[in-house]
Amino acid sequence: DIVMTQSPGSLAVSLGERVTINCKSSQSILYDFNNKNYLAWYQQKPGQPPRLLIYWASTRDSGVPERFSGSGFGTDFTLTINNLQAEDVAVYYCQHYFNTPLTFGGGTKVEIK
Amino acid sequence: EVHLLESGGGSVQPGGSLTLSCAASGFTFGNYAMSWVRQAPGKGLEWVSTIGGISDRTFYADSVKGRFTIFRDNSKSTLYLRMNSLRPEDTALYYCAKDPGGVTTKFQLPREYNWLESWGQGTLVTVSS
Repeated sequence: DIVMTQSPGSLAVSLGERVTINCKSSQSILYDFNNKNYLAWYQQKPGQPPRLLIYWASTRDSGVPERFSGSGFGTDFTLTINNLQAEDVAVYYCQHYFNTPLTFGGGTKVEIK
Repeated sequence: EVHLLESGGGSVQPGGSLTLSCAASGFTFGNYAMSWVRQAPGKGLEWVSTIGGISDRTFYADSVKGRFTIFRDNSKSTLYLRMNSLRPEDTALYYCAKDPGGVTTKFQLPREYNWLESWGQGTLVTVSS
């Protein structure tokens, strides 16, 4: 099984600042045939289901603000939130879909400092 | 607009059974793979199972294989999860989630397990004596 490791587990950032969340897979989740990284990011606010933010490691889902961006390839990935807003307080999860079982990272809790 | 509504959760004793349902609307249900993902209280997300749209192939996490069965009724636009031999560690909020569709393998076949594009609100399953 591919293990997804997120860091940090939590962080507190001031409004307007940048947030960087890391996600590392235990093996490459890059497929040669299409050169795509099989990684998604989700946001889960308290009491709500997860919301898809990014897929293919860097493609924003429709309606996701441009301040959210994803990067990385192979085994190391990053979710960046620029200009943190109050409504971004949530837990963020990465997930691979390279094969089954699909697995998620442990989550990163983002709070306002 | 995609809408997914889970139901069927509740309290059950260890060893008991439950069947969860997920009523879908806003899209052509039979064309999309669907999944169940669970979240234990205060914990992270755990993929449980996926069923293909066109293929009807099924996939399971090892933790539920042999105990849970995913199936669908396309005529009713409904996804199900039959859960047998329930254990306390199965206690969780169970979400159904929709595949994005349109993703293919290198052989140009529909790929059944991808990112999870839309999620329901979840139904709570509690396994306790």
